[in-house]
Amino acid sequence: DADVTQTPRNRITKTGKRIMLECSQTKGHDRMYWYRQDPGLGLRLIYYSFDVKDINKGEISDGYSVSRQAQAKFSLSLESAIPNQTALYFCATSDTTVAQGVQYFGPGTRLTVL
Amino acid sequence: KQEVTQIPAALSVPEGENLVLNCSFTDSAIYNLQWFRQDPGKGLTSLLLIQSSQREQTSGRLNASLDKSSGRSTLYIAASQPGDSATYLCAVGETSGSRLTFGEGTQLTVNP
Repeated sequence: DADVTQTPRNRITKTGKRIMLECSQTKGHDRMYWYRQDPGLGLRLIYYSFDVKDINKGEISDGYSVSRQAQAKFSLSLESAIPNQTALYFCATSDTTVAQGVQYFGPGTRLTVL
Repeated sequence: KQEVTQIPAALSVPEGENLVLNCSFTDSAIYNLQWFRQDPGKGLTSLLLIQSSQREQTSGRLNASLDKSSGRSTLYIAASQPGDSATYLCAVGETSGSRLTFGEGTQLTVNP
């Protein structure tokens, strides 16, 4: 089984709809992240969480919200999706101590907003 | 604000060639630098992590170097194989050690 899983893997939705992307990890890591990837722009950080009680905005948090339901679960919500949120979304985790910053990524969710 | 640039954007080589991918960054106050591989439809896989105090890291046919003072890193791939075809991403870790700034990647194609 994969260490970092994301659901759904693909999603097509319409403008104005609420969408939730979910991420689960079995690595026991404290830190979790959400990124989006766009052609020509690379990966950009949306939100990150260092533990269950800690949520931080990243580079491009507008239009997004997150929830850290447990150490192993970190979900990303688009309250009212718009077409320019069409992108590939990645969840990642890292360990605060052992790996000194190595991040482990999920397989990604391809989101299309029509 | 940290900016990361990767050159070239795309590279096509015949099998067996040794090749170098380049990464440059604007702020030398980094915690670490990572090289990732991304395959279509899959997530990113960490290849090598270089701490700011290190000069290079090696794993199999891969060797990554880091020159903080000049803001540069290179990924050297020896004896390239078709299975090396993927997009390679460079990411710089800020001083807290967890936030990464990514380059746009180099798309590598190794032809049989």
